[in-house]
Amino acid sequence: QVQLHQWGAGLLKPSETLSLTCTVSGGSFNHYYWAWIRQSPGKGLEWIAEFNHRREANYNSSLESRVTISLDTSKKEFSLRLKSVTAADTAVYYCARGVGYTTSPQTHFDSWGQGSLVTVS
Amino acid sequence: SFELTQDPAVSVALGQTVKITCQGDGLRSYYASWFQQKSGQAPLLVVFGENNRPSGIPDRFSASSSGNSASLTITGAQAEDEADYYCHSRDNSGTLVVFGGGTKLTVL
Repeated sequence: QVQLHQWGAGLLKPSETLSLTCTVSGGSFNHYYWAWIRQSPGKGLEWIAEFNHRREANYNSSLESRVTISLDTSKKEFSLRLKSVTAADTAVYYCARGVGYTTSPQTHFDSWGQGSLVTVS
Repeated sequence: SFELTQDPAVSVALGQTVKITCQGDGLRSYYASWFQQKSGQAPLLVVFGENNRPSGIPDRFSASSSGNSASLTITGAQAEDEADYYCHSRDNSGTLVVFGGGTKLTVL
């Protein structure tokens, strides 16, 4: 069974760069989507960015100018960097695995990391 | 831009049936998936695609869709179903991901 484990700094100062990494174990790294999603305190889920099954990166337009995602297939890891953070970036950040289908218009996130609380203060 | 709209809160009596809806133009092109999230926990996928449940999800959870609307139905709601529920889908190109704002379900 696939497991996603994420880690990174939890407390940042304004203007610093957020950096998180997610390691995938117990499953293939190929043919899946690998996404970053966040949730501000008391708010809903917000998609940040992802690699699709062709390993193409796609970004939330509202964050794209500050976000970089990377993929290390040899380590089965993917990472998120968000620069110039402010208090508005305080959130729980999740990594997630997405499943897509060539025969049906659907994708879904079936496995999630444990979440990382990142506080900007 | 593509948005998904959910009612902020819904309540249901114990053992009764409740439908949580999600609306957005992109749902005409892509199926929605549904997540349950309890306080302090990561989201849990409960239904995806036309009407599929991951292993371990009770069959009281089901999904349907019509036009620009998708629904999650819980038939015979249990106390443990009290949670926030989010729909998710993609824009017409399949490139961009969107989540609904979430619906807080209270089981009375």
